Formats: sequence, C-alpha cells, structure tokens
Amino acid sequence: GAVVSQHPSWVICKSGTSVKIECRSLDFQATTMFWYRQFPKQSLMLMATSNEGSKATYEQGVEKDKFLINHASLTLSTLTVTSAHPEDSSFYICSARDPLARGTGNNEQFFGPGTRLTVL
Amino acid sequence: RKEVEQDPGPFNVPEGATVAFNCTYSNSASQSFFWYRQDCRKEPKLLMSVYSSGNEDGRFTAQLNRASQYISLLIRDSKLSDSATYLCVVTTVSGTYKYIFGTGTRLKVLA
Repeated sequence: GAVVSQHPSWVICKSGTSVKIECRSLDFQATTMFWYRQFPKQSLMLMATSNEGSKATYEQGVEKDKFLINHASLTLSTLTVTSAHPEDSSFYICSARDPLARGTGNNEQFFGPGTRLTVL
Repeated sequence: RKEVEQDPGPFNVPEGATVAFNCTYSNSASQSFFWYRQDCRKEPKLLMSVYSSGNEDGRFTAQLNRASQYISLLIRDSKLSDSATYLCVVTTVSGTYKYIFGTGTRLKVLA
C-alpha cells in the first residue's frame, strides 16, 4: 500500500513556458502532500506543503506565484512551474502522508518517483 | 548551523565491511526519525524508522540518542547493492509537521 505516482517522469521545455506536474496517491487519501526540489549532489529541499481544499504553505524563499500548487482532491496535488527558466531545472519530488496509518506510519511520508525538469 | 547534519562522505568500503553513519539534529522537540536510501536519479525510499530503544532489520541497525540528539545507522556485511546515498530524516511539529532532510552520506561499496 501507500503508493504515490508522479507525472510526467521527465520533461524538457523551452524557457518561458509553464510546466505542470501531477502527484497522486493511488491507494490512500492524502490530506497533506509535500513538494520537494533536489539539485544535483544536494539533498531534498521542501518547497511547500499542500493541503487539500486550502492554500499551500510555502517555505521561505520559494515564490508562491512562480510555483503554483493546487490540491483539489484527496488524491491529487499539482505543481505548476510558471515561466520556467534554466535555473528551475531540477528534480521535483512529491510525497504524501497517510493520516490513517497506524503508529509511526502516521508520521511517514511516501514519495513519488520524481519528475526531472530540464529548461532549455 | 543546519537542522540536520551528516558527513557527506563518500565512504568507500570493501564488500563485507561494516560501516556506520552518524547524524545530528538541532531541534530537541523533533518527534520521529528515519533513515532513507536514495539511488542516483531516484526518489528516496524508506530504509527504517529509528526508535529510542534501537532497532535492527537484517544487516541494518539504527540507534537514537535523544539526549545527545544523535542518530546512527550501522550496516554490516556490506554488499555492492548497498551503494547509495543515505539520508537522515527528522520530523518536526513546530508550526506544521514536515520532514527535515540531512545532506545525505554517500556510500560506495567496492568489489
């Protein structure tokens, strides 16, 4: 159980275009999803926490108007990178938390396979 | 000071060796602790949760010392397939729940 999917797995786009990444929890309902970004040889950095039915909470330094997050249902969150530029090229990973998991499973996040974005 | 710190490595060890990774965290109110494994260009995968009493899963042993704010991971009888980056993760509930990742420790097991 606790499977999270992401789509697309990779995308190449021209500078100035917008890219949408989808994150789905396949076998559980996730009231909270998380979006991370990982640059080469660095660790994952949390960008924002996505709450179903409400506005996302962005980490310091992350532009909310550039990285639009929508969490319209309990199984889907989307991240849109607007007017992408080469410096936005990165590995974007989402995760979800299963609020009904028992014990420490309640604190565990399940990760999607990631989306590799390359902006030319 | 980073909230979660790890030695980035790389640790180059021969097959069969025992290797230990350490991780320190700064927030004494941290709640849960995990070790994740990340292969190149892949998402992190949970290796094991870490409990105060210590826990073992096959060749892997994790320890937590809350007083020293220190987490460790021991890998015995290293295999080539253990080569990866090992990420220490701490959860915080100050404000909202979230994961704080360490920088990761790279392990290379050599034949």
